[in-house]
Amino acid sequence: KAGVTQTPRYLIKTRGQQVTLSCSPISGHRSVSWYQQTPGQGLQFLFEYFSETQRNKGNFPGRFSGRQFSNSRSEMNVSTLELGDSALYLCASSLARQETQYFGPGTRLLVL
Amino acid sequence: AQSVTQLDSQVPVFEEAPVELRCNYSSSVSVYLFWYVQYPNQGLQLLLKYLSGSTLVKGINGFEAEFNKSQTSFHLRKPSVHISDTAEYFCAVSEGYNNNDMRFGAGTRLTVKP
Repeated sequence: KAGVTQTPRYLIKTRGQQVTLSCSPISGHRSVSWYQQTPGQGLQFLFEYFSETQRNKGNFPGRFSGRQFSNSRSEMNVSTLELGDSALYLCASSLARQETQYFGPGTRLLVL
Repeated sequence: AQSVTQLDSQVPVFEEAPVELRCNYSSSVSVYLFWYVQYPNQGLQLLLKYLSGSTLVKGINGFEAEFNKSQTSFHLRKPSVHISDTAEYFCAVSEGYNNNDMRFGAGTRLTVKP
């Protein structure tokens, strides 16, 4: 069974731009969570989607948003990029909520 | 809200030696505990998890961890490490049912030397 896939793997943007990252969960998994990983703040929870609804949100500004489609694929969007948004963005999927999360390889975003 | 403290940011060890990576958590409710490993330029891979039951949990690659409720700890151990175990290790906690908000520790960099 294929693992969690994330596209693109690497991305370079400039301040003020917006970006959309994509995550395809493991087949049959219905819950998708997003995390941001930076050297300074470590791994931080962004949000979780289940059945196309956001179920939980971390402490991030409204510039960070996401959605989930009927096939459980998820996208996250960051608008008005700031230098501090440079990070590895990780997606994790699970069969259902509170099940073990399996992580993708991440999308590395660099904001210049 | 739950939080996790990994007590060592770096742990150097020689090959075939035993290792312990320490993790303490704080929470006001029952928790689920996890250890993940991250190799360079990769995502996180689940090593083991504690949900309930036996406090000694065995995971992949010869790792095990012990849940100690009174000391709020979940230390990771391996009796004999290999060069290939060199990686970043993260302890994580989530609390409550229907809560996928996992809190991670800052990570411990394990370096295995020949």
